[in-house]
Amino acid sequence: KQEVTQIPAALSVPEGENLVLNCSFTDSAIYNLQWFRQDPGKGLTSLLLIQSSQREQTSGRLNASLDKSSGRSTLYIAASQPGDSATYLCAVTIPNFGNEKLTFGTGTRLTIIP
Amino acid sequence: DAGITQSPRHKVTETGTPVTLRCHQTENHRYMYWYRQDPGHGLRLIHYSYGVKDTDKGEVSDGYSVSRSKTEDFLLTLESATSSQTSVYFCAISDRTGTSGANVLTFGAGSRLTVL
Repeated sequence: KQEVTQIPAALSVPEGENLVLNCSFTDSAIYNLQWFRQDPGKGLTSLLLIQSSQREQTSGRLNASLDKSSGRSTLYIAASQPGDSATYLCAVTIPNFGNEKLTFGTGTRLTIIP
Repeated sequence: DAGITQSPRHKVTETGTPVTLRCHQTENHRYMYWYRQDPGHGLRLIHYSYGVKDTDKGEVSDGYSVSRSKTEDFLLTLESATSSQTSVYFCAISDRTGTSGANVLTFGAGSRLTVL
């Protein structure tokens, strides 16, 4: 059974600093990995998707990397801002006979201190 | 969230009563999902649908049933609600294209259910 872990559960960082969020998964047989953002009381918003054949994806100040062999992904946020405060979740898409499903981590709650 | 609406957004009910949550989409996406989110567990898949009247179980399906009679609507029913079903329920949609698994989901805003 695929398990996805995100450590730490919570992180506080002063504004302007660069930071890295971690995601690990137990089974390397994935199609892709996604990073999501969740604001309090809201749904999830997809930030980045990395296909299994890719090593990284970038969107603005965000950079996500994927190392399938070690079962790890990182989300790098450059020059953090208070608006980056949210919970960040990673999810892997696993094979399921044509109806692939996502398995989510429990998330890292990020607080950017002004 | 644009194109996907959940109702009700909040509901308080008593143990043993039936509850139905509705997910409505205007994107004509084939795939629809129901997740629950609980502290320490992240999001867990309850049921999903890959077409009208085509549904399958997720990892935490016990105590839940679903129906999809139209592309745009996916209903989640708790036949007899229990306190362990107190949670935030999220619907998601996807227009996944092929076995590359580019399964980018769009989520609804969630439905907070409290079972007393």
